[in-house]
Amino acid sequence: AQSVSQHNHHVILSEAASLELGCNYSYGGTVNLFWYVQYPGQHLQLLLKYFSGDPLVKGIKGFEAEFIKSKFSFNLRKPSVQWSDTAEYFCAASGGYQKVTFGTGTKLQVIP
Amino acid sequence: DSGVTQTPKHLITATGQRVTLRCSPRSGDLSVYWYQQSLDQGLQFLIQYYNGEERAKGNILERFSAQQFPDLHSELNLSSLELGDSALYFCASSETQGGNTIYFGEGSWLTVV
Repeated sequence: AQSVSQHNHHVILSEAASLELGCNYSYGGTVNLFWYVQYPGQHLQLLLKYFSGDPLVKGIKGFEAEFIKSKFSFNLRKPSVQWSDTAEYFCAASGGYQKVTFGTGTKLQVIP
Repeated sequence: DSGVTQTPKHLITATGQRVTLRCSPRSGDLSVYWYQQSLDQGLQFLIQYYNGEERAKGNILERFSAQQFPDLHSELNLSSLELGDSALYFCASSETQGGNTIYFGEGSWLTVV
């Protein structure tokens, strides 16, 4: 069965620090990968997605993610975080006719 | 604005009662998903419908049921409500039954008192 793992449940960073959130997936066949962000009190919004092509995907607000097939990973990165990046981040995967499967989420707290 | 519309946005009801949450998917999307999000359980997938038929089932309680109508809108029915059912219920939609990007509505906040 497909699964998505996010090993960091809570991350605290100071502003301007670099961010990397881990995501590993277990999926048979072709996989589509997503990162969603949920700001406090809001709904989940798509941050970026990978379907095919360049494994380095750039999303909104300076975020990027790299698909490494050999490691079954799709880590999210940002060179310099801002206080406004405080949110919960969800990695997700889907493929073929399989519905999207979400990870458990990582809460990011950025300290000014 | 994702294009997914959920009503009501907020709902307060008593234990033992029944409520219905409504969702209109994005124009052209055939798949509807329901999720429950609470502080202690996180984001939980409940159920998916595709073009009117149940496609996948997750951690949905027997007290809960859903359906997708011919016009593709969906309803989530929650009955015999308990305090622990208090949560944010999200609807999401996608173009097909799998693989595509899913888009979330703003959610329905349910408080059971």
